[in-house]
Parts: sequence; structure tokens; C-alpha cells
Amino acid sequence: AQTVTQSQPEMSVQEAETVTLSCTYDTSESDYYLFWYKQPPSRQMILVIRQEAYKQQNATENRFSVNFQKAAKSFSLKISDSQLGDAAMYFCAYRGTDSGGGADGLTFGKGTHLIIQP
Amino acid sequence: EPEVTQTPSHQVTQMGQEVILRCVPISNHLYFYWYRQILGQKVEFLVSFYNNEISEKSEIFDDQFSVERPDGSNFTLKIRSTKLEDSAMYFCASSFGGVNRQYFGPGTRLTVL
Repeated sequence: AQTVTQSQPEMSVQEAETVTLSCTYDTSESDYYLFWYKQPPSRQMILVIRQEAYKQQNATENRFSVNFQKAAKSFSLKISDSQLGDAAMYFCAYRGTDSGGGADGLTFGKGTHLIIQP
Repeated sequence: EPEVTQTPSHQVTQMGQEVILRCVPISNHLYFYWYRQILGQKVEFLVSFYNNEISEKSEIFDDQFSVERPDGSNFTLKIRSTKLEDSAMYFCASSFGGVNRQYFGPGTRLTVL
């Protein structure tokens, strides 16, 4: 079974600075997808960024980028120019590839609570 | 952007009662999912549903749980006899399938007293 590990229960960063959240995973599959979800106090799950394992290029979405190291099974999220609205729980998630249908559920890490200091 | 909706936003029930949580997936999506998040813990996959049957389920999804797509738009999760430990946030998600992302609803907070 796949596992996702987030070793930082909480991180704090000054507004406008850069922060990196860590995630490692364990899998025997060669093709899969990785995600970062943001969960603000409202508890809504918001997709921040996703990465296909077969793509070597790291995904970016505006101020959010990932450092995907497939051999090391590492998938960290970098948030540049941190803003107060970035404060939330961040969950790393893994999804394998089944027959290609899409039935696989996501496996989540325990999350990192990101605090933005004004 | 299209949205998954869930009702109610908060449900309070007595232990032993049956509850039904409702979700309206995005209209052209084919795969539907339920996840659970106990307060302060990670989100856990319960079940996926495709073509009117369960595709995959986790160990959490025992005989107390059932899912149904009673009509062309709703997707429901039933808990037959609720326990205190069923108190959690329940998220519905939907996907077009394949490599497409799963869209999450806002969640239903279930409180079992």
C-alpha cells in the first residue's frame, strides 16, 4: 500500500518570504500522480498543484511550485512571496494509476499547518 | 469553475441513528468518491463509485456504510447505525475519470452524540 509522509506538523513564515513544505511517499508503481491540497479554516479542500510522475518538469502555478524528485520519492511544495491568505493546512496526496479508469482514491499525508506571520 | 455541492453542511445525530449525506457531483463526471476527515487528522478515502457500482473501497468502508446514486444527479453516503467515532467531516468528490483531477465538495460535518 502507498503511504504519504509529511514530517512537518507546523511551519511558520514571514509574509512575503518563501517557505517549502516537505512530502515523501512510498510506492512500487512507476506511474502515478501527486497533489498538494490546501485546507483553510472553512475545511474546504482546494487543489493547489498537481504533478504527473512521468513528467520530469516540475509543475508551477503562479507562486506555487514543486520540487519533484522521483528517485528519492520526494515532492515538496514551495510557496514564494507568502501571503496572509496562504495560511492553512496543506496536504500532500498520492494517486496511483489503475486500469486508467480513475477509480483510485487519493492517499493523503497528515498535513502541515502553515502559519503566516505579518 | 464547476462545483460539487453537498448537503447538509452540518448534521447532528444520535448514536445508533441512520444518516444520509448527499452530494451533487459535477454533471458530466463519471467517477464519484467519498472521503472522511476526523477532526485534526488526515483525509481518508472511503469509496469510489462508477457505472452504478462500487469500484474501490477502503478498510474503513464496512457494512455500516453504503453508497447510492438514486437518480441522475445525486450521490449519497448512508451510515446505518452511527457510532461516536463516525463524527467527522465527510467530503464528496467527482472526476471525469482517467488522469483527470478529483473535484472536492465543501464537506458535511457529521456530529454523533
